[in-house]
Amino acid sequence: EAQVTQNPRYLITVTGKKLTVTCSQNMNHEYMSWYRQDPGLGLRQIYYSMNVEVTDKGDVPEGYKVSRKEKRNFPLILESPSPNQTSLYFCASSPPGGWRGLTDTQYFGPGTRLTVL
Amino acid sequence: GQNIDQPTEMTATEGAIVQINCTYQTSGFNGLFWYQQHAGEAPTFLSYNVLDGLEEKGRFSSFLSRSKGYSYLLLKELQMKDSASYLCAVREAGGSYIPTFGRGTSLIVHP
Repeated sequence: EAQVTQNPRYLITVTGKKLTVTCSQNMNHEYMSWYRQDPGLGLRQIYYSMNVEVTDKGDVPEGYKVSRKEKRNFPLILESPSPNQTSLYFCASSPPGGWRGLTDTQYFGPGTRLTVL
Repeated sequence: GQNIDQPTEMTATEGAIVQINCTYQTSGFNGLFWYQQHAGEAPTFLSYNVLDGLEEKGRFSSFLSRSKGYSYLLLKELQMKDSASYLCAVREAGGSYIPTFGRGTSLIVHP
């Protein structure tokens, strides 16, 4: 089954304790991205990756890191989490068809609800 | 960059028709997506427009006017399960080709 998986689904942690949220897709997609979603602010892009070893900042990258060592995995790293990073996080993947004008919709993972105390 | 606007909240009655508007400003348009998102769940793809006109898919239709920077999502024969947020997302040419999302429209369907 084609899917994007995220782990953990729920996490409560404390300020300053490093954490990693994993994201994996089995569709051989080149593009992957991370979003955070907060009430009234919608989905905001944190980082994206266009292929292995190619990553770039989105709209709200401060306090986050990512890596793309393998095509299928795109972990989100919070080196020193703070309470303002309490949010619902989504990973997404898509094929790189944008320039061809194809639909190439993004497939979203189930979300990770993070609380930083 | 992009500026995407949609109403924050709308209400409608079961069985009725509702139109959710989305306006955008972008330097290079490369497609507009509509997603549905139920509370606490992942967004799911509804429709895609890259050329002007109406795309119909069952009870849902989406319209695009590139010259006006305008799209709408039309939901017919509303059902209670249609209560959700509807997200408009615009893809810009020449960049990452990953869409930017509007803040979403929360639709509440009443019996």
